[in-house]
Amino acid sequence: EVLLVESGGGLVKPGGSLSLSCAASGFTLSGYTMNWVRQAPGKGLEWVSTITSDSAFMYYADSVRGRFIVSRDNAENSLYLDMYSLRAEDTAVYFCARGKLLADFDYWGQGTLVTVSS
Amino acid sequence: QSALTQPPSASGSPGQSVTISCTGISSDVGGYNFVSWYQKHPGKAPKLLIYEVNKRPSGVPDRFSGSKSGNTASLTVSGLQTEDEADYYCSSNVGSRSLVFGGGTKLTVL
Repeated sequence: EVLLVESGGGLVKPGGSLSLSCAASGFTLSGYTMNWVRQAPGKGLEWVSTITSDSAFMYYADSVRGRFIVSRDNAENSLYLDMYSLRAEDTAVYFCARGKLLADFDYWGQGTLVTVSS
Repeated sequence: QSALTQPPSASGSPGQSVTISCTGISSDVGGYNFVSWYQKHPGKAPKLLIYEVNKRPSGVPDRFSGSKSGNTASLTVSGLQTEDEADYYCSSNVGSRSLVFGGGTKLTVL
C-alpha cells in the first residue's frame, strides 16, 4: 500500500523557518517525481514545488521561489521542504504527493499544518 | 501563474449529471493534454479522478469523465451520488516549469 506521511508542521513566527518531511512507503521512491502542494484555510489547492526522481531538477511556484528548498533522500524514502522567511500567507496545510512531472499526482499524504503568526 | 478559472459552485440532484468547467489559456490548458481533476472532501487528502484530460485511474468509477476543448477542460459527473458532494479541482502544467490548479468548485448534491 502506498503511504505518504507528512510531519514537521507547527506554529512559527513571521520571518522564521520550518522544515517539513514526508515519509514514503509502499513504493520505490527513487522511481518517482515528488511534489508539495498546500491549501490555505478556506482556500484552494496551490502547487508549491516539484523535484525529479534523481534530484536533478527542482521547480517552484513564484510565491515561494527563493524562500523554500525542496530535497529528497531516496535511500531514506523521504521528501523534504525547507521553508525560510515565512510569511502569514504561507499558513496552510502542506501535502506531499507522488506524481508525474508537472502533471497528475496519484497519491497524497494527509497533510501537515503550518501556521505563521506572531 | 494565475489560477485556472472554475465556477465556485455547482449542484445537482441524485442521479443527475453535472459538468464543471476549468478555463485557462493557450500556455496551460489549451497548449497541453496534462489536465487533471481531483476530488477533495474536507479534512481529507485530494483524490485523483482524471489525468491527461480524459483518463481514469484504476478504481475511479466511470461516472467521472473528462474532456477538453480549446482552453477549457470539463469534468462531468454522471449519476450523482450523495458521496460526490465535495470540492473539485482541475490542474494543468504551465509549459515545462510549473503547474497551476483551478480555484476549486464546491459540488452540492441536493
